[in-house]
Amino acid sequence: EDQVTQSPEALRLQEGESSSLNCSYTVSGLRGLFWYRQDPGKGPEFLFTLYSAGEEKEKERLKATLTKKESFLHITAPKPEDSATYLCAVQVAGDFNKFYFGSGTKLNVKP
Amino acid sequence: GAVVSQHPSRVICKSGTSVKIECRSLDFQATTMFWYRQFPKKSLMLMATSNEGSKATYEQGVEKDKFLINHASLTLSTLTVTSAHPEDSSFYICSASLGDQPQHFGDGTRLSIL
Repeated sequence: EDQVTQSPEALRLQEGESSSLNCSYTVSGLRGLFWYRQDPGKGPEFLFTLYSAGEEKEKERLKATLTKKESFLHITAPKPEDSATYLCAVQVAGDFNKFYFGSGTKLNVKP
Repeated sequence: GAVVSQHPSRVICKSGTSVKIECRSLDFQATTMFWYRQFPKKSLMLMATSNEGSKATYEQGVEKDKFLINHASLTLSTLTVTSAHPEDSSFYICSASLGDQPQHFGDGTRLSIL
């Protein structure tokens, strides 16, 4: 059964305290893995796409990596404005309309 | 980046009213649009997928006659919640994609049925 699991469910960090969020997936075939950021009362905002194991993408304090079983979103020296829920989604190979979303990690960065 | 506009952002109406939500891709032609429902502190629940000019594909458990989806053009899809009741109150989010590209989301519609 195809599924995506994110951990931890919630993460509290002090400003400047680096950490990583995990997205584990089990799908019949991976077309792409996507990371989104969602602020309360808003729709998800696209961050990264990863297509193959070993690929890395960076944007400001965020870096996303991908293996054959999981993806990590590394947050370096986070700031309070990085507080949000981070969602990952997997697109299935052969049916690019098929996406599976994780339940998200709610990140709270305290000043 | 790609922009998806969703309107209205908030609706409050009486039970029995039908409510239409619009989703527009502003700077790209969307071959596929998706409609999601999100409960508090929960992730996105896919309701249906629609391709321009075709009937929407609904997920299991989603009532087709309750949630009418129209995807009349490559830039516009609408979701109509017919005869809405309090249990239909939720946060509805649309997204749009072009081919196998990532989905880009609207900012959601908060629907409250009294």
